[in-house]
Amino acid sequence: GENVEQHPSTLSVQEGDSAVIKCTYSDSASNYFPWYKQELGKGPQLIIDIRSNVGEKKDQRIAVTLNKTAKHFSLHITETQPEDSAVYFCAAPFYNNNDMRFGAGTRLTVKP
Amino acid sequence: EAQVTQNPRYLITVTGKKLTVTCSQNMNHEYMSWYRQDPGLGLRQIYYSMNVEVTDKGDVPEGYKVSRKEKRNFPLILESPSPNQTSLYFCASSLYPIGYEQYFGPGTRLTVT
Repeated sequence: GENVEQHPSTLSVQEGDSAVIKCTYSDSASNYFPWYKQELGKGPQLIIDIRSNVGEKKDQRIAVTLNKTAKHFSLHITETQPEDSAVYFCAAPFYNNNDMRFGAGTRLTVKP
Repeated sequence: EAQVTQNPRYLITVTGKKLTVTCSQNMNHEYMSWYRQDPGLGLRQIYYSMNVEVTDKGDVPEGYKVSRKEKRNFPLILESPSPNQTSLYFCASSLYPIGYEQYFGPGTRLTVT
């Protein structure tokens, strides 16, 4: 069926290391790929997104890469800090339903 | 301040007792939706609305109802709650369903005993 697969489900890194979270999608027509960060006790919040006309987008320590051929996109966080600890969700559109589908989430823990 | 508000934030109820969770946005967004979040399952869409009086089922609509009588409000109704509806619920809004940031509310933690 139409879904978004996200890996890993949990990720633990040492402060200062990099973290990478990967997602795959099935709708080849998808052209918008956001990443959301959910801090404890709060709703998800958009941190970065990418559209299919580019392969990479950066915003300070956060970057997203997109491989449309392979239908996967990844979130990269460099120089991780304890405040990066949160649950991260990827999402992709499914045009048959005209909505966004979310991955199952990745719980990132950054150890001081 | 642009925001999505939900009430209540926490609710403990009993099986079969009708309840409503309210959702309101102040950004004049066309699109609103409800999600439930369960461990290991991510965010699953319950219902969504493309505009006033236009609603449609998401992935997990069974046991829920919604209405969109005004653009800013999108309440979630559980006519006869059951324990398997114990979950964390989020309302979200965006200008349009695809290609635009979704703004999420703070969440409503519901427990049905």
